[in-house]
Parts: sequence; C-alpha cells; structure tokens
Amino acid sequence: EPEVTQTPSHQVTQMGQEVILRCVPISNHLYFYWYRQILGQKVEFLVSFYNNEISEKSEIFDDQFSVERPDGSNFTLKIRSTKLEDSAMYFCASSYGQGPYEQYFGPGTRLTVT
Amino acid sequence: GENVEQHPSTLSVQEGDSAVIKCTYSDSASNYFPWYKQELGKRPQLIIDIRSNVGEKKDQRIAVTLNKTAKHFSLHITETQPEDSAVYFCAASKGGYSTLTFGKGTMLLVSP
Repeated sequence: EPEVTQTPSHQVTQMGQEVILRCVPISNHLYFYWYRQILGQKVEFLVSFYNNEISEKSEIFDDQFSVERPDGSNFTLKIRSTKLEDSAMYFCASSYGQGPYEQYFGPGTRLTVT
Repeated sequence: GENVEQHPSTLSVQEGDSAVIKCTYSDSASNYFPWYKQELGKRPQLIIDIRSNVGEKKDQRIAVTLNKTAKHFSLHITETQPEDSAVYFCAASKGGYSTLTFGKGTMLLVSP
C-alpha cells in the first residue's frame, strides 16, 4: 500500500538556523499538507498546497515558513530562522482530491531546536 | 474558525469492555469527521471517518455516530483489546481543501 514518506526522521538544529523538511506524498495525490504536533499536544494545521500554490495557511505559518514542490515528487517545508518553540513533530499529509477526502500522514520529522 | 472539543482526555478500560470518545464541533459547515489513532512515536493513522450525509458507520469493532443538529460525533470501540491502547484524535473539516481541525486527543488504556 502506498505511503507518505518523510526525511529526515529526526533533525537537530541550532536556534537561528534554516531547516528543510522533506516529504514524498502518495504519487497520485494532488493535495499536500503540513501539520505540526508539539510533544503531548494535538496536531495543528500549518498549510495546504495544491497546483503549485498555497491554498490555505494557519496563523502559525508566518513569514519564517515556506513550502515548495521542487519537482514532481517532493514537497518541502522550510523554516528560515528556527526558534526554540519550533521544536515539534512535523507531519506531511496528502489527499487525492478536493472535498472530504481522506488525508494520509507521513511518519513525521522530529525537529529539535537547541 | 472551527473548534473541536474532545472528551475524555484519558480513558482506562478493561479488556473486553467498550470505550466511547466524544467530540463536538463549532462550525455547522463542517461535513467530514475522521478519527485517527496514534501510537507512541508513530504517525496518526485514519481508522474510520464519517460524512455529514450519514448518521452512523461501522467497521468491525469500531463505529462512529454523528449528530449534525447537536454538532457532535462519537467513536465507539467494542470488545477492546490491549492493542487498542493509543491516543485517538477526532477531527473536522469543511471539505474544500480539507483542512483538518483536530481535537486534543484521548489516551485510551486497555488493561489485560
């Protein structure tokens, strides 16, 4: 069964550094998402992406964040200048279509900012 | 925006008992309600979902009910097993680009 994959599984970075989290969505999916989960808390929506542009973003997704689909398979989340409070698990998800379609989550990247 | 409340935050049951987790949502335009199971350190996995044109859906030991008038939906697990132990999240979506708003999660502990 196809799955969403993410790399790296764990990223440690120093405050102020830039990080890029990578995702490979399920191949025939058209909608892509990033969520984050601070340890012990609920999953929070960051951004959705369709047709090479952002379709929706949350208040969390400020100017330090950006997303890109650099080729036909990868979907990336860049955090430009990391802060301690960016430490969280970041999940990529994808879905096939618009409307209430199931979203499938990747295994996550644990980001630790020191 | 949408707000999803989930109760209880923890639920302990004996193996074989039933477990019920309840969620309420605020936006009457929401029309899709998935439930995710998350084991420790793992990804959220979709276990069942329901759309607003349906009142109940079952899949083996798992069922979900939806009351659109009251804006609440519930997850029912029967004959619980130790491997059901996990955190369960409810979510709501308005369709469109399907942004999910999650509840805070319920930690279910099933004791043998």
